[in-house]
Amino acid sequence: DAEITQSPRHKITETGRQVTLACHQTWNHNNMFWYRQDLGHGLRLIHYSYGVHDTNKGEVSDGYSVSRSNTEDLPLTLESAASSQTSVYFCASSGNRVYEQYFGPGTRLTVT
Amino acid sequence: KNEVEQSPQNLTAQEGEFITINCSYSVGISALHWLQQHPGGGIVSLFMLSSGKKKHGRLIATINIQEKHSSLHITASHPRDSAVYICAVRLSNTDKLIFGTGTRLQVFP
Repeated sequence: DAEITQSPRHKITETGRQVTLACHQTWNHNNMFWYRQDLGHGLRLIHYSYGVHDTNKGEVSDGYSVSRSNTEDLPLTLESAASSQTSVYFCASSGNRVYEQYFGPGTRLTVT
Repeated sequence: KNEVEQSPQNLTAQEGEFITINCSYSVGISALHWLQQHPGGGIVSLFMLSSGKKKHGRLIATINIQEKHSSLHITASHPRDSAVYICAVRLSNTDKLIFGTGTRLQVFP
């Protein structure tokens, strides 16, 4: 069965370190999204991609980057982790811009 | 003011009760989504609708475009319905989603 996975599921890192969160989908979807979820906020869009070599900034993109070298993967990199980036991160994909999005299980990141 | 507001923020119910969760939005949209997030954290899509009403099992979602309001109803609620229910809108002329902060539902036996 097709699926979307994230790794690691839990990560603790120190301030200033570079961290990469992986997202892999086997739906063959063109569209992929990264969100963060924090108490008191709805899910907020960090970056998104509509296809290979396409990346776009979302509403909270500062301090994050993504690259899309193939259809299946959209890794999210925190260039220099900050405590404000402690959050739960969700990756999602969709086959069409107006279709529903399928979400990964989430990665809980703690920056100490 | 948030562009997507949900009410109530928290809801408790006894098994068997009829549940209503509300979502109001202040922007032009092309579609509205209802999502469910279980205590383990996973998020699944329940409905995507742009008009009228949709039903899936004990879940019913309605939308009134003129009033910019949607409701999610759960009939004959069960403890396994305990979750956070999230409303999200897709803005007109774009494909991005804006999410509400969610409604936490607890159903007790």
